[in-house]
Amino acid sequence: NAGVTQTPKFQVLKTGQSMTLQCAQDMNHNSMYWYRQDPGMGLRLIYYSASEGTTDKGEVPNGYNVSRLNKREFSLRLESAAPSQTSVYFCASSGQGTSNQPQHFGDGTRLSIL
Amino acid sequence: GEDVEQSLFLSVREGDSSVINCTYTDSSSTYLYWYKQEPGAGLQLLTYIFSNMDMKQDQRLTVLLNKKDKHLSLRIADTQTGDSAIYFCAERPGANNLFFGTGTRLTVIP
Repeated sequence: NAGVTQTPKFQVLKTGQSMTLQCAQDMNHNSMYWYRQDPGMGLRLIYYSASEGTTDKGEVPNGYNVSRLNKREFSLRLESAAPSQTSVYFCASSGQGTSNQPQHFGDGTRLSIL
Repeated sequence: GEDVEQSLFLSVREGDSSVINCTYTDSSSTYLYWYKQEPGAGLQLLTYIFSNMDMKQDQRLTVLLNKKDKHLSLRIADTQTGDSAIYFCAERPGANNLFFGTGTRLTVIP
């Protein structure tokens, strides 16, 4: 049972390069999320998708775009990478509704921008 | 906006109890969560508590919720070296979004 799968696990980019981080879940979840994790700052939400076909900005969306390709897949794109985007990126998914729907996380993508 | 605060570090001796504290700001949060992150891994859900509960116990884990003070704690009994990790509390004020604290790095000393 894979859960949430992120690719790649590691990536080094040069400033100005573009990159797409991939995320797929096999739990039939409606909602998917992208976070970044920086030292001493916890996780901050970049974008989320409450259901297939919808996306919304989170706390720190600048410099990023997302695509909810289908129910399973939610990708994060950096069009022109900057050193400030060096971080660990986590994708998560959850069921939908007001009942308890905890988020399930992938293992992360460690991205360095030189 | 939401603000979830935790102390950054905690050290305990193996076999002792660990208590990790968290304060949050949104009184409308319906669920509050504790996640564990081991080195190089994603976040793993440990436990959660519904906002109308004061306490929840799950094996070695005890969660206490004080809604009046907006204070959440996680107690780990008989702490083991395998419990060394970063622990995040998170509040869920809406239908979907979670707001995370900065994480508390627990170090268990053998």
